[in-house]
Amino acid sequence: SQQGEEDPQALSIQEGENATMNCSYKTSINNLQWYRQNSGRGLVHLILIRSNEREKHSGRLRVTLDTSKKSSSLLITASRAADTASYFCATDLIIQGAQKLVFGQGTRLTINP
Amino acid sequence: NAGVMQNPRHLVRRRGQEARLRCSPMKGHSHVYWYRQLPEEGLKFMVYLQKENIIDESGMPKERFSAEFPKEGPSILRIQQVVRGDSAAYFCASSPAPQGVTQYFGPGTRLLVL
Repeated sequence: SQQGEEDPQALSIQEGENATMNCSYKTSINNLQWYRQNSGRGLVHLILIRSNEREKHSGRLRVTLDTSKKSSSLLITASRAADTASYFCATDLIIQGAQKLVFGQGTRLTINP
Repeated sequence: NAGVMQNPRHLVRRRGQEARLRCSPMKGHSHVYWYRQLPEEGLKFMVYLQKENIIDESGMPKERFSAEFPKEGPSILRIQQVVRGDSAAYFCASSPAPQGVTQYFGPGTRLLVL
């Protein structure tokens, strides 16, 4: 099964509201990253949070990490139509000293104007 | 500083043909990763390469798939004798170090096998 699993799978809210997406994982991590993907496009890196960090902010984005629960959340405040996209969490798996990312299935976020 | 470049952006092949996907990492990045994304799914790791070396190919099918990252030029993901199940988006990412850093993704190559 997936290392990272997002919840909910789909989320639809009104513009201006806050959107919260959750991610759970199974094994120990060094870092957890959140990416955004617009339909048919590549991934845009949003935030990297390290295992010794509990919270990180970037503009309207707030990421939390709870290593005891093996979970993370991404909060987007004051959502805009342009935030409509799929959001993925990715945990790192270190093999032979190198990091490969393990992605969840993603949360499809729709912001209604 | 240009981002990760991939070409072609779209590729159509008939069953049995070969597909070659190219990736130029960001300047100064010597670590390249290939991922595959099936429709409505997350990305799945395929292979990790450094210059002239394959470090981890645990996610790449043993047959028909190969990858290289030569001393000069882009990284190449090669799929021989493509089948319909190979239809997917293939993303390349690069990083300046093997771990603890962000991987930056290219726009992807969307492969359609007819």
